Amino acid sequence: DAKTTQPDSMESTEGETVHLPCSHATISGNEYIYWYRQVPLQGPEYVTHGLQQNTTNSMAFLAIASDRKSSTLILPHVSLRDAAVYHCILRVSSNTGYQNFYFGKGTSLTVIP
Amino acid sequence: DPKIIQKPKYLVAVTGSEKILICEQYLGHNAMYWYRQSAKKPLEFMFSYSYQKLMDNQTASSRFQPQSSKKNHLDLQITALKPDDSATYFCASSQEDWGSAETLYFGSGTRLTVL
Repeated sequence: DAKTTQPDSMESTEGETVHLPCSHATISGNEYIYWYRQVPLQGPEYVTHGLQQNTTNSMAFLAIASDRKSSTLILPHVSLRDAAVYHCILRVSSNTGYQNFYFGKGTSLTVIP
Repeated sequence: DPKIIQKPKYLVAVTGSEKILICEQYLGHNAMYWYRQSAKKPLEFMFSYSYQKLMDNQTASSRFQPQSSKKNHLDLQITALKPDDSATYFCASSQEDWGSAETLYFGSGTRLTVL
């Protein structure tokens, strides 16, 4: 199972910058940190991923701690469309050596107008 | 246009019956997956296929059988349906280039209700 810990829920107001934390204290050196988000009745959507360096794209900024035991997904200027469940996932290896994505409960982000 | 097509979008079945969930991807990916999500529960990994070969199976029950007739096609056959099988079933795919850019893409799901 995924070895990440996230808050169950967070709330923000439109236009604010949101910091979504994720703890992964037992992360291995070759495990990537992925973030996906899911809105009701739809499949998860890729947001971003990283290994050691901070990364940024059009959706978000991913800040990874220097010891890699935690990361923070930063969503600038959130809108109502950013309301979703955000999943922090480690890409782990199965016993066949094949790597899978395992999802946890994630953080449910509520955005208030 | 959706690149991962799942059919049907909604499905109602009676207990004990058999259904097949269809998934086709037009992303040119080599790996395909099935996930299940029951009401208010996390996504649960079920199967992964690579080049039409089963790579991982985390589903305890043999009532769930993936079927891959083509590389871009992975159906899910469910036999002897039970009410507990009611869930949304998501198909996903990835390039299977296990470098830094590997990303899963998901379909919109098939919502199965077993009465």
